[in-house]
Amino acid sequence: QVQLVQSGAEVKKPGASVKVSCKASGYTFTGYFLHWVRQAPGQGLEWLGWINPNSGGTKYAQKWQGRVSLTRDTSTRTAYMELTSLKSDDTALYYCARDLGTGDLSFDYWGQGTLVTVSS
Amino acid sequence: QSALAQPASMSGSPGQSITISCTGSSSDVGGYDFVSWYQHHPGEAPKLIIYEVTHRPSGVSNRFSGSKSGNTASLTISGLQAEDEADYYCTSYILGGRVVFGGGTKLTVL
Repeated sequence: QVQLVQSGAEVKKPGASVKVSCKASGYTFTGYFLHWVRQAPGQGLEWLGWINPNSGGTKYAQKWQGRVSLTRDTSTRTAYMELTSLKSDDTALYYCARDLGTGDLSFDYWGQGTLVTVSS
Repeated sequence: QSALAQPASMSGSPGQSITISCTGSSSDVGGYDFVSWYQHHPGEAPKLIIYEVTHRPSGVSNRFSGSKSGNTASLTISGLQAEDEADYYCTSYILGGRVVFGGGTKLTVL
């Protein structure tokens, strides 16, 4: 069965960076885009970007261009989301989600979420 | 890219039908038949319930249906049940292969 397992909670200081991992299993890792979505406390869902695990190609929401970096390691079937120059309002639950694969950029399987807390 | 507009909250009684709207522009909702809907129970991962405006993934109840007219997409939940109480989000494909979420709608089943 398809599973996306994310790394554990992180606590970071303002200005630092965080790297969250998302390990995939149960399907062909290189066959589906992986997206990253976040939810800040009391806020809605926000799309950050996607990575094509096959080519390594990426696309980011314009707001996050330059501060988010999506990478992958095909040998370990793991995708990564790195967020730099952290601010307190980056405190959020970060999800990875698999693309449905129909071309409409919908997400059919989700990781359990990784809580990133930014605090001095 | 601004978030798609959804009502912040809606409510309904068991057995009723409700329709949640998702309004964008010709650059997103109106420009592509690529609108999805997600159900999000607090503490759980979101769940895809509608994709490509009207399609239901396998295993999703046929009480959920989607439609679109112009720049507004809609999610209808018929025969409301207590378990439908959740947050609902729409998304749309936007130019350049990006995605935009709606602001979310908190559904209360009275």
